[in-house]
Amino acid sequence: DSGVTQTPKHLITATGQRVTLRCSPRSGDLSVYWYQQSLDQGLQFLIQYYNGEERAKGNILERFSAQQFPDLHSELNLSSLELGDSALYFCASSTTGVGYTFGSGTRLTVV
Amino acid sequence: GEDVEQSLFLSVREGDSSVINCTYTDSSSTYLYWYKQEPGAGLQLLTYIFSNMDMKQDQRLTVLLNKKDKHLSLRIADTQTGDSAIYFCAERNDYKLSFGAGTTVTVRA
Repeated sequence: DSGVTQTPKHLITATGQRVTLRCSPRSGDLSVYWYQQSLDQGLQFLIQYYNGEERAKGNILERFSAQQFPDLHSELNLSSLELGDSALYFCASSTTGVGYTFGSGTRLTVV
Repeated sequence: GEDVEQSLFLSVREGDSSVINCTYTDSSSTYLYWYKQEPGAGLQLLTYIFSNMDMKQDQRLTVLLNKKDKHLSLRIADTQTGDSAIYFCAERNDYKLSFGAGTTVTVRA
């Protein structure tokens, strides 16, 4: 157990739908990062939050959004889902910006 | 720019040493990382090296960094079947990680 908790582990949904992925960072970590892992794109950085504020944005689609709550957990919202959004979504947390601890991921399948 | 490259596959005999290579392009990267991903699992941090170091050793793992050539390698001594996994090299830019495509290491008996 890495200390970073992601739920759900698996999600199957239809095209056009909206889903929410949840991440609880390791205790004491203020930063949360979201990554997407797909066969064709590899591991891509999506977005970072630090203590509730958006810090950096990567290759995140406009259909995707995220937030970090006062208790530091984060949610990634994916809407108008397409087949190509099927991927593993990872959350990572860090305090020092040196060590990054990853969760076990949410596998999203869009059918 | 950010571009991390790794060879895609490595096959090694059990008990031998494995060497996984990686090149990166951003000379301002302050930390470089090696992560391991087993089938169906998340990313496990193996080790990282600060850019002002050229070597780091941690039990069976040795990381070598050639900053001039922007080349990073991971050596696994006495490779075991449990070392079969995908190994990702990553560089840190502006507090986020940029990953290579991963090297699939297969350990054969």
